Amino acid sequence: QPVLTQSSSASASLGSSVKLTCTLSSGHSSYIIAWHQQQPGKAPRYLMKLEGSGSYNKGSGVPDRFSGSSSGADRYLTISNLQSEDEADYYCETWDSNTRVFGGGTKLTVL
Amino acid sequence: EVQLVQSGAEVKKPGESLKISCKGSAYSFTSYWIGWVRQMPGKGLEWMGIIYPGDSDARYSPSFQGQVTISADKSISTAYLQWSSLKASDTAMYYCARKDDYGDHTGYWGQGTLVTVSS
Repeated sequence: QPVLTQSSSASASLGSSVKLTCTLSSGHSSYIIAWHQQQPGKAPRYLMKLEGSGSYNKGSGVPDRFSGSSSGADRYLTISNLQSEDEADYYCETWDSNTRVFGGGTKLTVL
Repeated sequence: EVQLVQSGAEVKKPGESLKISCKGSAYSFTSYWIGWVRQMPGKGLEWMGIIYPGDSDARYSPSFQGQVTISADKSISTAYLQWSSLKASDTAMYYCARKDDYGDHTGYWGQGTLVTVSS
């Protein structure tokens, strides 16, 4: 079954950009993933679906500052022009016919 | 607008039973799976299982098989997560989630139900 690996934390300055990484386990590098954002004390929010080709589709209302890209088994979430409200936990998700998993999450701090 | 509205917070004692709910609205309830996700205090998201409301086919993650029951009542567009005997370790926030319109990933989330199990 697929496993997703994320760095536990990241930080970047207000107004700058940050690129978060989600890595698929061996044998699963072609898998589609989804990114979700969880602001402190809130329910998760769906951000986008991201394919191995780098093509992505965002959820309703997700700002243009959020984009996705891919390279091999790595799936990236880039946030440009960081705002204070972007300080949150970010999770990637994937699935196959038998299982559905989340990565461990990356805690993003906006300095 | 698609909405998933969950039942309110619960405080229970170890050994008690519990059933929490998730009501879907503004879409065809039987056309999309609904799943349950656990988040223990200070921890990440964990998939528990999903149900296909059209035929009530429920699939469980191995860690949760036999520990909970997922069900649905399509007549009232509501999915459920049930425990027969709660443990202190079941203390967590529980979210329901629905399949997205454009793929098999999660596209919608409920607001969460906090379950506290304490003697």
